[in-house]
Order: sequence, then structure tokens, then C-alpha cells
Amino acid sequence: DAGVTQSPTHLIKTRGQQVTLRCSPKSGHDTVSWYQQALGQGPQFIFQYYEEEERQRGNFPDRFSGHQFPNYSSELNVNALLLGDSALYLCASSPQGRAYGYTFGSGTRLTVV
Amino acid sequence: TQLLEQSPQFLSIQEGENLTVYCNSSSVFSSLQWYRQEPGEGPVLLVTVVTGGEVKKLKRLTFQFGDARKDSSLHITAAQTGDTGLYLCAGVRTDKLIFGTGTRLQVFP
Repeated sequence: DAGVTQSPTHLIKTRGQQVTLRCSPKSGHDTVSWYQQALGQGPQFIFQYYEEEERQRGNFPDRFSGHQFPNYSSELNVNALLLGDSALYLCASSPQGRAYGYTFGSGTRLTVV
Repeated sequence: TQLLEQSPQFLSIQEGENLTVYCNSSSVFSSLQWYRQEPGEGPVLLVTVVTGGEVKKLKRLTFQFGDARKDSSLHITAAQTGDTGLYLCAGVRTDKLIFGTGTRLQVFP
């Protein structure tokens, strides 16, 4: 049974560019949440998708956007990249919009130069 | 603003020692989760505590949720090198996780 799959695993981008990160949830999960983890810190909630809609959002600018597809997979898009966007981006899936039964992917390490 | 503060931030001990990690907040949470994260991996859920005063044991790990549901602790007995990692507490609020600042544990043989 596959867990949460994220791609790519590593990415290097230049300031001002745009990036798309992808996530496939665990089988049976329909809710996807995205977190940003800066080096040496705990993850920070970006937003959550359920039934193809953004259900709630953390304190992140509009440069961060997302999408959920009918098969429950999700994308995180970041526009106009800043050096401070360098971080590990984690995707977590859970069943039925709940915070219980969270499963995290291994993350995408984004470096902005 | 970090709602959950963990202490200590770093901990370096020898195998066989005992340790306690604290997770404190001024806010009430419906439940609290503890995760362990290893380099290059996502956090892995260890336990969820729901009821104020609840104590849960997972082999050598003991988790406690404060009576007021604002704080929690993780106690490890006879630490092993395999316990090395980043320990994160996370409060559950409106079905999202609010993570603590993290405690990096290094256990030496």
C-alpha cells in the first residue's frame, strides 16, 4: 500500500521563477494538506484541500496557490520565488477532511538561488 | 507566531539515559500529536492524545497531555541510538496541525 508520494524530491530554482510541486495521497485518503518546513524549524501550515476546494489556509501570501484533482492528488504552485521560499515542502493526506490519521510524504526540498 | 514552544531545543545524551521533552502553549487544543522526523523524511506520527490528563505508552516512550490540554510531555526511558531524530509536537485545531518548534535528539552509543 503506497503512502504519500511527492515529486520531485529536490528542485533548484532562480529568484522570480515559478515552481509546481506534486503530491499523490495515500490510498483511501481524500484530503491533502501542504506544509512548509524551513531548516531547523517545525512545519508551517500552508493550506488544505478537500473535495477539490481550498478548505482552509495558513498565513501565506497569494503567491502560494494550489489545486486538487478528482483523483485527490494535489499541486502546490509558488510564483515569483524568493530566497526565503527555500524549504522542505511537505504534503500530508488524511481521510474525510480530518487531522487524524495524517500521513506525510518525504517532501520536496526546494532551493531558491 | 509560534503557538507551541518545545524544550529543550537540542538534546545530546548517551545510550541508556532517560529524557523528557516538553511542549507548551497558552492555547487549548482539541488534541495533540507527537511526531518523529528523520533527515530527508517526512514526520511520522507516534501518538495522538485527546483527553486532558491522558497518558499513553509506546514501548519506552510515555506521552502525557496536560489537564488543561495546553501542554504535553514525551518521556523516553533508556534511550537507544535508534531514537535519534527531530521530535515534533503538533496541536490539532480545525483539522489542521500547528507544529511546535521541535527538539533535536542525538543519542550516542
